[in-house]
Amino acid sequence: GAVVSQHPSRVICKSGTSVKIECRSLDFQATTMFWYRQFPKQSLMLMATSNEGSKATYEQGVEKDKFLINHASLTLSTLTVTSAHPEDSSFYICSARDPEGGWQPQHFGDGTRLSIL
Amino acid sequence: SQQGEEDPQALSIQEGENATMNCSYKTSINNLQWYRQNSGRGLVHLILIRSNEREKHSGRLRVTLDTSKKSSSLLITASRAADTASYFCASMTTDSWGKLQFGAGTQVVVTP
Repeated sequence: GAVVSQHPSRVICKSGTSVKIECRSLDFQATTMFWYRQFPKQSLMLMATSNEGSKATYEQGVEKDKFLINHASLTLSTLTVTSAHPEDSSFYICSARDPEGGWQPQHFGDGTRLSIL
Repeated sequence: SQQGEEDPQALSIQEGENATMNCSYKTSINNLQWYRQNSGRGLVHLILIRSNEREKHSGRLRVTLDTSKKSSSLLITASRAADTASYFCASMTTDSWGKLQFGAGTQVVVTP
């Protein structure tokens, strides 16, 4: 079964709306989670690294005020797309790293398809 | 961040044939991973190969790694229609603490 749950799976909303996406680790405590964005027929681009109890680390070119990340507990990270516009429409995917897993692969959520009208 | 290259971008084969795709990366790595993504879905981990390994097998999958050329290949043998998906390589550097850099991906279509 899934070890990382991402919710919601799909969001359709009007321009200007803020949208919150949740990423939960189910079987382990994730001190680090990652947020990716994927445009159609393209690869995953890392947006930010979410660290429990501290500020997220954003990749170059990603607006931290636009994409708010909160990692308030060891099992939950949230990504809020603030005042979303059509160009923010994309597929957002989170992943979580099990700190007990050494260099084992991360676990990915099923993604959230965001459509801004 | 720069992404690695993958080729081919798209591959169309018939069931039973083998599918080979290649990936290149830019920096020294701790390991390289291959993932599969069905259309509109999340990623499924396929195989991880460490920097000190040269070849690894898992079922019908065979992965090679050439650190001198900073490249890797994924071979799917005896392909099935259910193998139709996009395949991505992802490299992890030693100091990235789990951060993955994904390749551009190869879209594979297996025709029955």
